[in-house]
Amino acid sequence: SQTIHQWPATLVQPVGSPLSLECTVEGTSNPNLYWYRQAAGRGLQLLFYSVGIGQISSEVPQNLSASRPQDRQFILSSKKLLLSDSGFYLCAWRRGRANYGYTFGSGTRLTVV
Amino acid sequence: GENVEQHPSTLSVQEGDSAVIKCTYSDSASNYFPWYKQELGKGPQLIIDIRSNVGEKKDQRIAVTLNKTAKHFSLHITETQPEDSAVYFCAARYSSASKIIFGSGTRLSIRP
Repeated sequence: SQTIHQWPATLVQPVGSPLSLECTVEGTSNPNLYWYRQAAGRGLQLLFYSVGIGQISSEVPQNLSASRPQDRQFILSSKKLLLSDSGFYLCAWRRGRANYGYTFGSGTRLTVV
Repeated sequence: GENVEQHPSTLSVQEGDSAVIKCTYSDSASNYFPWYKQELGKGPQLIIDIRSNVGEKKDQRIAVTLNKTAKHFSLHITETQPEDSAVYFCAARYSSASKIIFGSGTRLSIRP
């Protein structure tokens, strides 16, 4: 069966520090991968998605970047965090070329102080 | 452009009563409509989905209906229980897209 792992679960970082959040998927190949951010009490904002290794689509201009160094690994990064980067970050995967929904990871709660 | 609208934003129902959440979508080429439930501090979980060749789908106490002509789809929860309290998101996938567009969410509270 397929599983998605996301870590860390919580993170407190000072303003100006770097960020690296990692997401990995097991049990499937060539998945579509997604990073979402959710502000407190708000909806899901799509940040990046990837349909293959090295292929990254950015949905909103911001202080973050994403990379996909391996087929089942998706990384969200920042060189210098801002207070506004605080939020709940969710990774998700979906089978490509098929009508399936996303499977979400358990999320990372990031607090920038 | 692509858009999914969801109503209401908050919903409070008495335990045992039914709850209905409604969504509309803008692109008539949409062909897949999932619903997600998000409990506090957790990632959203897929609870039911429907494809455009079907008008209704049921799974125990939850059902989803789709009206392609009106571009509406709805989630129905019957005999609500306290564990149904959560935020629910509707979504639509456009046939040519790699991404799913989410509604803004409905916070459902079940009153004992």
